[in-house]
Amino acid sequence: QVQLQESGPGLVKPSQTLSLTCTVSGGSISSGDYYWSWIRQPPGKGLEWIGYIFYSGSTYYNPSLKSRVTISVDTSKNQFSLKLSSVTAADTAVYYCARAAYSSTSFDYWGQGTLVTVSS
Amino acid sequence: SYVLTQPPSVSVAPGQTARLTCGGNNIGSKSVHWYQQKPGQAPVLVVYDDSDRPSGIPERFSGSNSGNTATLTISRVEAGDEADYYCQVWDSSSDHVVFGGGTKLTVL
Repeated sequence: QVQLQESGPGLVKPSQTLSLTCTVSGGSISSGDYYWSWIRQPPGKGLEWIGYIFYSGSTYYNPSLKSRVTISVDTSKNQFSLKLSSVTAADTAVYYCARAAYSSTSFDYWGQGTLVTVSS
Repeated sequence: SYVLTQPPSVSVAPGQTARLTCGGNNIGSKSVHWYQQKPGQAPVLVVYDDSDRPSGIPERFSGSNSGNTATLTISRVEAGDEADYYCQVWDSSSDHVVFGGGTKLTVL
């Protein structure tokens, strides 16, 4: 059974960089059959896709966030990470990591989510 | 960029059928996926590739997609189906994921 677990600070100051890591267990991030993604959800609002990474390092980002986002992968640790720079209160959200099948593009496994609050 | 439109809310009585729509330009040419999200929980995939169900999802959940509208149908609605539902596609023209705004299903 594949499991994803987000980790990182729950509080980030404005203008700083938000950093989160997703640890994958029960499957290899290098399998080549999946994209590994970050999705966020501001309190009381809908889902917003942040970006994807393939095990090879190829990335796709939401154009509205592209200038501030970096997603990277560490296959040796079976982890992938998110960095979001120059954060503001509008970046306060629950951040989810998720797996998408390469063939389907649907997100079949999700982490439980972690709330990140941007505040001084 | 591609836009998916969902009604903010749908209400249905227990035992009845709920039809949740997701509108998009020529959405019938895309694969549509649907997620159920209960309060405080991560979303759960309930239908993928328009009409397929992941293992463990009841047959009461079904999907269709044609023209400019995709539909998630929940038959014999139960109190436990009350949740937010999101549709999602991959926009191949821009290589981006798009989510609809979500529909809150209320079971009366």
